[in-house]
Amino acid sequence: DTEVTQTPKHLVMGMTNKKSLKCEQHMGHRAMYWYKQKAKKPPELMFVYSYEKLSINESVPSRFSPECPNSSLLNLHLHALQPEDSALYLCASSQMDRVYEKLFFGSGTQLSVL
Amino acid sequence: DQQVKQNSPSLSVQEGRISILNCDYTNSMFDYFLWYKKYPAEGPTFLISISSIKDKNEDGRFTVFLNKSAKHLSLHIVPSQPGDSAVYFCAASKDTGNQFYFGTGTSLTVIP
Repeated sequence: DTEVTQTPKHLVMGMTNKKSLKCEQHMGHRAMYWYKQKAKKPPELMFVYSYEKLSINESVPSRFSPECPNSSLLNLHLHALQPEDSALYLCASSQMDRVYEKLFFGSGTQLSVL
Repeated sequence: DQQVKQNSPSLSVQEGRISILNCDYTNSMFDYFLWYKKYPAEGPTFLISISSIKDKNEDGRFTVFLNKSAKHLSLHIVPSQPGDSAVYFCAASKDTGNQFYFGTGTSLTVIP
């Protein structure tokens, strides 16, 4: 199994809503990532979890709250988002403690904030 | 500060010909380079990679070349096929680090 599964595929939410994005992998990877991607731009790193602990937070606003309940699952909780937060949100995973890591991406959640 | 750059936002190539996508980087500490392919509204998929101890890596129709002195890498696709039409991102990382730096992407169109 070389898949990273993300749900939902599409999400429309208002600025006062609370929603969550979910990500799952069963490759035994110990690093999991959230990226944000706008059209015609590269993926932009938001958070990295290493061994279920938050290791990198790229100064992301607190309206985005990551959670790693176990080594296979990664959530991104959304609250009071702004229209400019509309983007494709990508989850990725990689093995840890290995030279020449590869990132494996999920298919993403296309988020629209109205 | 963009440490990985792809200076050509788009490229069009006839089917059957060679596609050459270029990528430049500024950080000499990068020692592993990857190419990802992305279709609209999908996640990037890994294509091919190269470590800094090599200058060439081949996988079927795809070959990546690395010129460390010039801090430049390129992806060659031969022969190009319409299904290769996608956005291609190059990425770089440092040894066992788990931070990946992505270029801005090149949109390849292969014309039948």
